[in-house]
Amino acid sequence: EPEVTQTPSHQVTQMGQEVILRCVPISNHLYFYWYRQILGQKVEFLVSFYNNEISEKSEIFDDQFSVERPDGSNFTLKIRSTKLEDSAMYFCASSELAGGWGEQFFGPGTRLTVL
Amino acid sequence: QQQVKQSPQSLIVQKGGISIINCAYENTAFDYFPWYQQFPGKGPALLIAIRPDVSEKKEGRFTISFNKSAKQFSLHIMDSQPGDSATYFCAASTPNAGNMLTFGGGTRLMVKP
Repeated sequence: EPEVTQTPSHQVTQMGQEVILRCVPISNHLYFYWYRQILGQKVEFLVSFYNNEISEKSEIFDDQFSVERPDGSNFTLKIRSTKLEDSAMYFCASSELAGGWGEQFFGPGTRLTVL
Repeated sequence: QQQVKQSPQSLIVQKGGISIINCAYENTAFDYFPWYQQFPGKGPALLIAIRPDVSEKKEGRFTISFNKSAKQFSLHIMDSQPGDSATYFCAASTPNAGNMLTFGGGTRLMVKP
């Protein structure tokens, strides 16, 4: 069964450093997303991406964040200068369709720890 | 107004019992209401979803009940099993909003053998 994959599974970084989280969405999917989940809290939307541009972004997704689809398979989230409060699990998701029935399939997540 | 409120935060049910998790929302523009199941160390996985044009949807042991006028929806897990022990999130999305899912706070379900 096709699945979303994410690398690395765990990333430890120093405050102020740049990190790039990588995702390989399901191959025929056209819509891509990043969510984050701070330990013990709810899943929060960061950004959605379609046709090589951002469709929607949340207040969390400030100028420190950027997304890119550098090739036909990868989808990346870059955090330019990490802060302690960026420590969280980051989930990539993808969907084939837009709208209500475009089921979003989530990857296993990357645990980001900022020291 | 974008919030989805979920209760209870945690739930303990005996094997074979019914687990009920409730969610409430304010934004009447929400038109898609999925439930996600998350096991420790894994990403959320879609369990079942409903649109507001129906009041109930059943898939196996899982049922969503939807009350549009009350702006509430709930997940019922019949014949709960220890393997159902997980965290459950309700969510909602609006059309033309980048497919953004707004999640509830989550319910940690434990089913005792």
